[in-house]
Amino acid sequence: EIVLTQSPATLSLSPGERATLSCRASQSISNQLGWYQQRPGQAPRLLIYDASHRATDIPARFSGSGSGTDFTLTISSLEPEDFAIYYCQQRSSNWPLTFGGGTKVEIK
Amino acid sequence: EVQLVESGGGLVKPGGSLRISCAASGFIFSSYNMHWVRQAPGKGLEWVSSITSGGSHTYYADSVKGRFTISRDNAKNSLYLQMDSLRGDDTAVYYCARAPFSNYYFFAYWGQGTLVTVSS
Repeated sequence: EIVLTQSPATLSLSPGERATLSCRASQSISNQLGWYQQRPGQAPRLLIYDASHRATDIPARFSGSGSGTDFTLTISSLEPEDFAIYYCQQRSSNWPLTFGGGTKVEIK
Repeated sequence: EVQLVESGGGLVKPGGSLRISCAASGFIFSSYNMHWVRQAPGKGLEWVSSITSGGSHTYYADSVKGRFTISRDNAKNSLYLQMDSLRGDDTAVYYCARAPFSNYYFFAYWGQGTLVTVSS
């Protein structure tokens, strides 16, 4: 099983600041990584797939990068609605699909 | 518009069974693999099971293998999860999900979820 480790667990930032979230895979997964945002009481929302492709209707302030084992989600300038929990997920050729433990972006 | 609507959740005793359903609309259901993802209260996301578009291949998390069965009825645009031998750690919101494209395994469309509570 491929384990995804997200860091930090919590990120305390102010609106307008840049957020950098990390996801590390226990073995290479090429670019087979996605990022999700989950607000309280809502279903997750796909932000990024294939490591760097923005999903439909996702604002340009969200970007993804990385390949192999190290991946980054960057939010260039935090909006109030961006304070939420973010998860990464891998879909390499190996089952099972797995999620990271999440990073909570909170208001400082 | 893609819509996924789960139903069938509820309270069940440990060792019991439950079948949850997902009604799909707004897309050609038979063209997409479908998935179940769950989230225990206050916890992160856990992939549970996937089924290919025609239903010929199924995949399960180790935590549910041998106890849960995923199935689909393409004529009814419906996805199912039969859950047997339920345990307390199966308590979660269960989401039905679909990828953005056929044969992808990221989840672009989600239902609102159905809560399954396993407790005596």
